[in-house]
Amino acid sequence: NAGVTQTPKFQVLKTGQSMTLQCAQDMNHEYMSWYRQDPGMGLRLIHYSVGAGITDQGEVPNGYNVSRSTTEDFPLRLLSAAPSQTSVYFCASRKTGGVETEAFFGQGTRLTVV
Amino acid sequence: AQSVTQLGSHVSVSEGALVLLRCNYSSSVPPYLFWYVQYPNQGLQLLLKYTTGATLVKGINGFEAEFKKSETSFHLTKPSAHMSDAAEYFCAVSEIWANQGGKLIFGQGTELSVKP
Repeated sequence: NAGVTQTPKFQVLKTGQSMTLQCAQDMNHEYMSWYRQDPGMGLRLIHYSVGAGITDQGEVPNGYNVSRSTTEDFPLRLLSAAPSQTSVYFCASRKTGGVETEAFFGQGTRLTVV
Repeated sequence: AQSVTQLGSHVSVSEGALVLLRCNYSSSVPPYLFWYVQYPNQGLQLLLKYTTGATLVKGINGFEAEFKKSETSFHLTKPSAHMSDAAEYFCAVSEIWANQGGKLIFGQGTELSVKP
């Protein structure tokens, strides 16, 4: 099993550009989420999904959109990139009903907005 | 609301010395607690978790953590540090409501350095 796969690994954007960060998992997990990691701030939740067709906002959702059309995929869209969105982004998935189960993380996407 | 505080953003130990990384949580119900490790330019991987039962939890790579309800703590320890333990460590608590998407609430992280 590949687990959680994120693409791309690195990206440089100009201010105002848009892009989509891809996330796919092959574990049939219903729960998927996106986090951003910034120095000294840990991981902060951007958006999450409890299943196909269902998404909700996390702690820092502004400037990001998500959709969940299949169980496997959970892309994150930056509508108009800003320097404040320079960060490392992680996608994670968890088993259904899994408040006590571990989350599996992708390798991350390092995004720089200039 | 649940929250996690990690004391010390950076900890430095000598090889062979005790590793102690501190984590305190806030939760109105019995928590589900996790420690994750992140090696440079990698994603996060699970070290260990506490759900119910035994309060001393053993994880991978010789790490263990003890859940202390009276102190609302879940500190991570390893008796003897190895150079390969140098990484960033995150404590997390699980949101308990299923409709919250299995959210994990993370602490700020502690970077562990190991000196030869």
